[in-house]
Amino acid sequence: DTGVSQDPRHKITKRGQNVTFRCDPISEHNRLYWYRQTLGQGPEFLTYFQNEAQLEKSRLLSDRFSAERPKGSFSTLEIQRTEQGDSAMYLCASSPQTARDGYTFGSGTRLTVV
Amino acid sequence: AQSVTQPDIHITVSEGASLELRCNYSYGATPYLFWYVQSPGQGLQLLLKYFSGDTLVQGIKGFEAEFKRSQSSFNLRKPSVHWSDAAEYFCAVGAYNNNDMRFGAGTRLTVKP
Repeated sequence: DTGVSQDPRHKITKRGQNVTFRCDPISEHNRLYWYRQTLGQGPEFLTYFQNEAQLEKSRLLSDRFSAERPKGSFSTLEIQRTEQGDSAMYLCASSPQTARDGYTFGSGTRLTVV
Repeated sequence: AQSVTQPDIHITVSEGASLELRCNYSYGATPYLFWYVQSPGQGLQLLLKYFSGDTLVQGIKGFEAEFKRSQSSFNLRKPSVHWSDAAEYFCAVGAYNNNDMRFGAGTRLTVKP
């Protein structure tokens, strides 16, 4: 297993368009997390899955954002009607059920909304 | 909810000098504590972690951190910094079950030759 993979690495989109990002976690990890990181800031928690169930969502996750993990493996994060304020790095991470050893992060998807 | 403060936005040290990055957390019980490092345009790499036991923990790349409950701190240290240590460092705290780890704003480390 090569770790957590995210696709694409970079995405440039026009304001108002929809975008979708994909995350493939480490195969034996049943927990998956999405974070958003803006320039000069630490990652901000967006949402968390345990297997296919979305168990927690931050208030940062507005109605335009939706995340899925349909079969408990890969996950997608969709942003509808993108705004310039959505420009950020979107990070995915995974962990085993016991997350006390921390999360393993992917390299992120850099979104630029023009 | 748990939270983290990293008081230093940017630190510059000379190569070979010692380093200490500060981290203060807020959480009512014993937290899970982590330090991550991030190079430009990259994801985060775990340096070390603490959840119980010995309060001085060793990590990768020669880093260590000490958990001080009385001060709600988890400062990161390295005795001799290398130019390759230049990066952004993030302290993070997890509550029970660690399902929504929270990060500080980060400290950017610059290493002078």
